[in-house]
Amino acid sequence: QITLKESGPTLVKPTQTLTLTCTFSGFSLSTSGVGVGWIRQPPGKALEWLALIYWDDDKRYSPSLKSRLTITKGTSKNQVVLTMTNMDPVDTATYYCAHVDYGDFRLDYWGQGTLVTVSS
Amino acid sequence: DIQMTQSPSSVSASVGDRVTITCRASQRISTWLAWYQQKPGKAPKLLIYAVSSLQSGVPSRFSGSGSGTDFTLTISSLQAEDFATYYCQQASSFPHTFGQGTKLEIK
Repeated sequence: QITLKESGPTLVKPTQTLTLTCTFSGFSLSTSGVGVGWIRQPPGKALEWLALIYWDDDKRYSPSLKSRLTITKGTSKNQVVLTMTNMDPVDTATYYCAHVDYGDFRLDYWGQGTLVTVSS
Repeated sequence: DIQMTQSPSSVSASVGDRVTITCRASQRISTWLAWYQQKPGKAPKLLIYAVSSLQSGVPSRFSGSGSGTDFTLTISSLQAEDFATYYCQQASSFPHTFGQGTKLEIK
C-alpha cells in the first residue's frame, strides 16, 4: 500500500532555510504518471498548495512562493525534498506531502504532516 | 491564481440530515475539481475527484456534481463520522488552489 511520511525540523528561526523530506513507499517516482506534491496548513487555517514534482522531473510551484521554494527528488529513490528559504513566522504551518495521480491530479494519499514553527 | 470560494463556511446539521456544500471557481475549471475531508489533527482525505468520481473506499452517501464554475458536494444522510471540515480543490491550472473550507458541525 502507498504510504508517505514527512520529516524535518520542528522549529526554525526567521530567515533560515527549511528542508523537509517526504519518504514514501508503495510506488515509484520513476513510474510514468506519478507525482508528489507539498501542501501546507497554518494552524486553524485552510490548505495551501505549494509545489509538485512529476516522474519526469517536471516541477510546478505556487507563483506566490516560487522564489523561495525548490522541490527535488531525493538521493534515495523513495524521497522528495522541499526547501523553503527565508522562513518567516507566517510560514508556521503543518506541511504535508501527498501522492499525485497525473491523470487527474488527485491527491489520493497523504502523509501525516509535520508541524514547523518559525520563531526566534 | 484561480480563487475557490466555498459556502457556507460552517453548517450545523443532525445525523440523518442531507447536507450540500457549494464551491465556486473564479473561472471555468471544466471537471478538474476534487473534494477532501479533514478531521482535527489529521491529514485530509480524498473523497471525490473529477467532480463526481468517488474515491475507492468512500461511502456512497457522498456525491459530487457541477460543471464550469459551480460545484456541489452532497452527503445524503449524515453519519456521526462525517462531522469534519471539507475542502474543494481545483486542478485546472497551477497553483492547484483550495477553497477556504466548510466546517460541518453537529446540531
